[in-house]
Amino acid sequence: KAGVTQTPRYLIKTRGQQVTLSCSPISGHRSVSWYQQTPGQGLQFLFEYFSETQRNKGNFPGRFSGRQFSNSRSEMNVSTLELGDSALYLCASSLSSSGGPISYEQYFGPGTRLTVT
Amino acid sequence: AQKVTQAQTEISVVEKEDVTLDCVYETRDTTYYLFWYKQPPSGELVFLIRRNSFDEQNEISGRYSWNFQKSTSSFNFTITASQVVDSAVYFCALSEAEIGSARQLTFGSGTQLTVLP
Repeated sequence: KAGVTQTPRYLIKTRGQQVTLSCSPISGHRSVSWYQQTPGQGLQFLFEYFSETQRNKGNFPGRFSGRQFSNSRSEMNVSTLELGDSALYLCASSLSSSGGPISYEQYFGPGTRLTVT
Repeated sequence: AQKVTQAQTEISVVEKEDVTLDCVYETRDTTYYLFWYKQPPSGELVFLIRRNSFDEQNEISGRYSWNFQKSTSSFNFTITASQVVDSAVYFCALSEAEIGSARQLTFGSGTQLTVLP
C-alpha cells in the first residue's frame, strides 16, 4: 500500500506571495492533518480534515487555510507569505470515522520544505 | 492544556550501548494516547508506537522497549544495543480523546540521538 505523498517536496517563494501544498493520504484513510515544523517552534498542528470538513484547527493565523476533496486528497494554502513561514510542512493521514477516531496512529508523508525569501 | 516535555535535547552514544529517551507529559484528560515517532534526516516522521492511557503494560519490540508510568506521567523509550541506523530525532507526542482534540498530536521538542560507530 502506498504511503502518504506530498507535492512538491521543495518550494522557494518570495515574501508576499501565496503557496499551495498538496497531500494524498494512504488509500482508505479519510482523515488528513497538517503540521508545521520549524527549528524554533518545533512541530505544531495546523488543521485536520475529514470528509471535506475541517474538524480541528490549531493556533495559526487566517493566512493558513486548507481543504479536502471527495477523494480525501488535501491541499493547504498560505497567503501573503512571511519569512517566518519557512518550514517543513508535514501531512499525516489516519483512519477515522465520523463518530470518532478508529485508529489514532497518524502516518506522515515526507513533507514539503518551503523557503520564503 | 496538554504538554509534552523531552528534556534531553541531544544524546550521543557508542554503538551497542543502551540508551533511554525520556518523555514527560501533562494532560487533564483521563483518556489519552501517547506516541513515539522517529524522524531520520530524510524528514519523514515514522510511527513507532502508540500507548493508551488505560494500558500501563510495558512493551518490547525487538531492540525497542517502552516504559509507561501514569504515576509519574512518563513514557520513556529505550533502545537496546543501539546501532548507527538508530541515529535520528525522536519525538514523543500526546493526543487527548476529547472530541475536537483527539485527532491533534501535541509533540515534544524532540531528542537528537547520535549513535557513533
